[in-house]
Amino acid sequence: NAGVTQTPKFRVLKTGQSMTLLCAQDMNHEYMYWYRQDPGMGLRLIHYSVGEGTTAKGEVPDGYNVSRLKKQNFLLGLESAAPSQTSVYFCASRAGQVNEQYFGPGTRLTVT
Amino acid sequence: AQSVSQHNHHVILSEAASLELGCNYSYGGTVNLFWYVQYPGQHLQLLLKYFSGDPLVKGIKGFEAEFIKSKFSFNLRKPSVQWSDTAEYFCAVNARAGGSYIPTFGRGTSLIVHP
Repeated sequence: NAGVTQTPKFRVLKTGQSMTLLCAQDMNHEYMYWYRQDPGMGLRLIHYSVGEGTTAKGEVPDGYNVSRLKKQNFLLGLESAAPSQTSVYFCASRAGQVNEQYFGPGTRLTVT
Repeated sequence: AQSVSQHNHHVILSEAASLELGCNYSYGGTVNLFWYVQYPGQHLQLLLKYFSGDPLVKGIKGFEAEFIKSKFSFNLRKPSVQWSDTAEYFCAVNARAGGSYIPTFGRGTSLIVHP
């Protein structure tokens, strides 16, 4: 079991560029989440999904879009990157909505 | 909306000292509670969790936490820390918001243990 994987691990973007972060899990989990982690701010929920084909907004959704076309994958898109989106992005999944989350290794994104 | 407060943002201890990290939440309904640890350069891992039953829960690496419902608290403890416990610790509360259970994280506590 690879658990939760994220690609890429690092990325540098220029302001206005777009990119997609991929999260994949091989645990057949229903629920998947995208967080951003900033110093002193903890983890803030961007978007989440309660099953294939569904997505919902979290605490800080502006500037991001997501898709969950396959159960095992959860994509996070930045259409027009801004320096404020410089952060470490973590994906997580869990089997049920009261279970613990399993986290990926993170993607460090810098927007210049 | 629920919120989670971790009162200690930075804690510095010497090896063998005792540790207690505070976590309080604001939500009146049923909650599930978690502590996660993030070692330097790594992703978050589960330390322990509380669903129901005995309010004193034990986790990995000698950590334990006590759920005190009347105080809306879930403090993390360890009687004797080691240098390898240097990490960031996150409290998380899972509570119903609308039709779903949404996990909310505290801002984290950075623990440095000096050898």
